[in-house]
Amino acid sequence: DIVMTQSPDSLAVSLGERATINCKSSQSVLYSSNNKNNLAWYQQKPGQPPTVLIYWASIRKSGVPDRFSGSGSGTDFSLTISSLQAEDVAVYYCQQFYSTPWTFGQGTKVEI
Amino acid sequence: QVQLQESGPGLVKPSQTLSLTCTVSGGSISSGAYFWTWIRQHPGKGLEWIGYIFYNGNTYYNPSLKSRITMSIDTSKNQFSLRVTSVTAADTAVYYCARARGPTDYWGQGTLVTVSS
Repeated sequence: DIVMTQSPDSLAVSLGERATINCKSSQSVLYSSNNKNNLAWYQQKPGQPPTVLIYWASIRKSGVPDRFSGSGSGTDFSLTISSLQAEDVAVYYCQQFYSTPWTFGQGTKVEI
Repeated sequence: QVQLQESGPGLVKPSQTLSLTCTVSGGSISSGAYFWTWIRQHPGKGLEWIGYIFYNGNTYYNPSLKSRITMSIDTSKNQFSLRVTSVTAADTAVYYCARARGPTDYWGQGTLVTVSS
């Protein structure tokens, strides 16, 4: 199984400041045939299911605010919230869908 | 807009079988483009991917659960289902059904299943 490790486990950021979450996979999730990283980022607010923010490591889902961005390739990835808003308080997960079983990171809790 | 809704008992006794159904609306489950997926979340914990079923009945189960898992699909009802046998307290979790095409883009609201006598 590919192990996904996020850092930090929790993060406190002031409103309007930048938040960066890291995700490292135990092996590359770059699919060489199409040069796409099979990695997604999800946001989960209390009592709600996760929602996808970013896929293919850096493609923002339609409707997701542009303060959210994803970067990285191979085994090292980041999710950045450029200017934290109150509604961004949530737990964020990375997930690889390169190989089964698809696996998630342990989650990073973002607080104000 | 695709919507998914889990249904099933919220309480299951130890050693019995957990059965959940996911009803899909706003899109056909017969589309060959998607993996119909189950994911669970233990209380206060992270996400555990259980497996998926394809429209033609092909399945992939997480090896950690494979011996106790069965998934099925009913295209006539636009539903897919999960069975987990021989449950213990460790199977207490919120169970989500979801649609995946690479990333998991639509999720049900989740249903809490508690294993307790």
